[in-house]
Amino acid sequence: DAGVIQSPRHEVTEMGQEVTLRCKPISGHNSLFWYRQTMMRGLELLIYFNNNVPIDDSGMPEDRFSAKMPNASFSTLKIQPSEPRDSAVYFCASRRGEGAQAFFGQGTRLTVV
Amino acid sequence: AQTVTQSQPEMSVQEAETVTLSCTYDTSENNYYLFWYKQPPSRQMILVIRQEAYKQQNATENRFSVNFQKAAKSFSLKISDSQLGDTAMYFCAFRLNTGNQFYFGTGTSLTVIP
Repeated sequence: DAGVIQSPRHEVTEMGQEVTLRCKPISGHNSLFWYRQTMMRGLELLIYFNNNVPIDDSGMPEDRFSAKMPNASFSTLKIQPSEPRDSAVYFCASRRGEGAQAFFGQGTRLTVV
Repeated sequence: AQTVTQSQPEMSVQEAETVTLSCTYDTSENNYYLFWYKQPPSRQMILVIRQEAYKQQNATENRFSVNFQKAAKSFSLKISDSQLGDTAMYFCAFRLNTGNQFYFGTGTSLTVIP
């Protein structure tokens, strides 16, 4: 298995533009997480899906952020419009079930200028 | 390429006892940071402890301490006087000094038994 795959690895965009981050979880995993990592706030949980259903999105910063999981093999995190303070590394992780080991993608490094 | 390995998917410890979680990593770089994160049921990731690779002294934060063996590329977490609130998933992570790229282990599920 190739592991959790995130794309793109790096994204540079102008303020106000729409940004879409993508994640392909490991096949057979039914839980998916999106985390944001910054030097100031550390690693923050943005949203958690179980069986493609958002269970906890309380970490989503504001309405500019949205996440979807249309099927078990794909999830997106969209920021519209993007702002410089959104610059961070965004991680996706998946696991087979509650308490199971989690596998992290390599992250998408987003820079909004 | 950098990799982080946690070979213990699950562990349990009696309340008030001491437990050690293992982590090994692989890198050809010399300057990096190592971290242990706690993921409680809320699924947030809480930084437990951090170690700079250039420091020989093991980091300590209250009941949490690490045994950092740079030559062996080992970074274990020791939890003393375990408490029920320590029950969580624990992730070992690695980051090079240059850049924000994190590499995570797959986690160890720790249960503290009353």
